[in-house]
Amino acid sequence: QPQLQESGPGLVKPSETLSLTCTVSGDTVRSRTYYWGWIRQPPGKGLEWIGSIYFSESTYYNPSLKSRVTISVDTSKTQFSLRLSSVTAADTAVYYCARLGCSSVTCYSHFDYWGQGTLVTVSS
Amino acid sequence: QSALTQPPSASGSPGQSVTISCTGTSSDVGGYHYVSWYQKYPGKAPKLMIYEVSKRPSGVPDRFSGSKSGNTASLTVSGLQAEDEADYYCSSYAGSNNLVFGGGTKLTVL
Repeated sequence: QPQLQESGPGLVKPSETLSLTCTVSGDTVRSRTYYWGWIRQPPGKGLEWIGSIYFSESTYYNPSLKSRVTISVDTSKTQFSLRLSSVTAADTAVYYCARLGCSSVTCYSHFDYWGQGTLVTVSS
Repeated sequence: QSALTQPPSASGSPGQSVTISCTGTSSDVGGYHYVSWYQKYPGKAPKLMIYEVSKRPSGVPDRFSGSKSGNTASLTVSGLQAEDEADYYCSSYAGSNNLVFGGGTKLTVL
């Protein structure tokens, strides 16, 4: 079973770009089977889907964040990344990376493996 | 897309059953059979409990069950145990490769 681990700065200044990496062991983001995604949880609030990526071909973003989000795959490594530009205090959250699991019907309905999450605080 | 609507809290005594609702629209919950539920303890990663409305991943107790009627999905926890006390989140496919989560429900075991 895959293990996922987020990494990146825990503090980002307002208006700058948040950058996180998810390292996947026991699986590969180069697989043409699975989608991979980012989810966040602001303090005291619910989960919010940020976006998903398939191989290095297709990306899908939350419409509310689409103008500021880029998700990419490093094909030389078992990693995928998140970039969120022009951050504000509202982007302070625990950020999770996760794998979208497959069933007999689809590979795009639920997250079956998650990283432990990393807190990113936006503050000057 | 708007977040799915869940009650902020739910509670039950040990051994009882509790049901948590998740209300969306015909564009998400009502339009697809792709509702999932996650259990989340503070400071921990979410754990998949139910997928595709009513399927349980391996290792999830059969005390957890899911269903859907129209635009509302439900998670039922039967035979409540102390360790079931956690936050529960629903999620649904919302078309065009979009996913949406609910606001979460805090389940308290009295």
